[in-house]
Amino acid sequence: SQQGEEDPQALSIQEGENATMNCSYKTSINNLQWYRQNSGRGLVHLILIRSNEREKHSGRLRVTLDTSKKSSSLLITASRAADTASYFCALETGRRALTFGSGTRLQVQP
Amino acid sequence: EPEVTQTPSHQVTQMGQEVILRCVPISNHLYFYWYRQILGQKVEFLVSFYNNEISEKSEIFDDQFSVERPDGSNFTLKIRSTKLEDSAMYFCASSELGLGTYNEQFFGPGTRLTVL
Repeated sequence: SQQGEEDPQALSIQEGENATMNCSYKTSINNLQWYRQNSGRGLVHLILIRSNEREKHSGRLRVTLDTSKKSSSLLITASRAADTASYFCALETGRRALTFGSGTRLQVQP
Repeated sequence: EPEVTQTPSHQVTQMGQEVILRCVPISNHLYFYWYRQILGQKVEFLVSFYNNEISEKSEIFDDQFSVERPDGSNFTLKIRSTKLEDSAMYFCASSELGLGTYNEQFFGPGTRLTVL
């Protein structure tokens, strides 16, 4: 399967803690993108990491990519209640279409 | 900040009716997409569109579906004869094309389609 699979499926943490979500995949990729989706709402683009990159930062977000292990992780530092959402990895594997995983539901308790 | 917009936010229709979902992509973007998300399921790619023609489509995008860019700003998805299983959230997305761009796709807020 080309699609990414996020792990864990659900994560509950306290405000101020760090949240780490993982994405594993089985095929080669051009890039991997992370998105956030609040319940019943649209997809917000968080960060794109290209296949030749190993790490990227954006504010409180840190994304790593290990193409040898075919895995990526999204770290949210100093989480806030407003970070409560579902987080998805999406793979671009050669064509421009993105293939999404099932997502990680993050709950940040105030 | 530029964003993708979609109308309507919610569409209710009877089975067998035609629906048209509308999107205004980000103005300098050249690639446009439709995805859907059935409740509780993954986001699925439907179709991509570039230079006034379909670039790629999935198995979901059968003859009941069509896309059009009727003018310089709108991008539409038409479902000719809706089925119950077409009930889903439909997302439009757009991305730039050009040197230094890497297909970051920016999504609209979605149209929730309910087929009765």
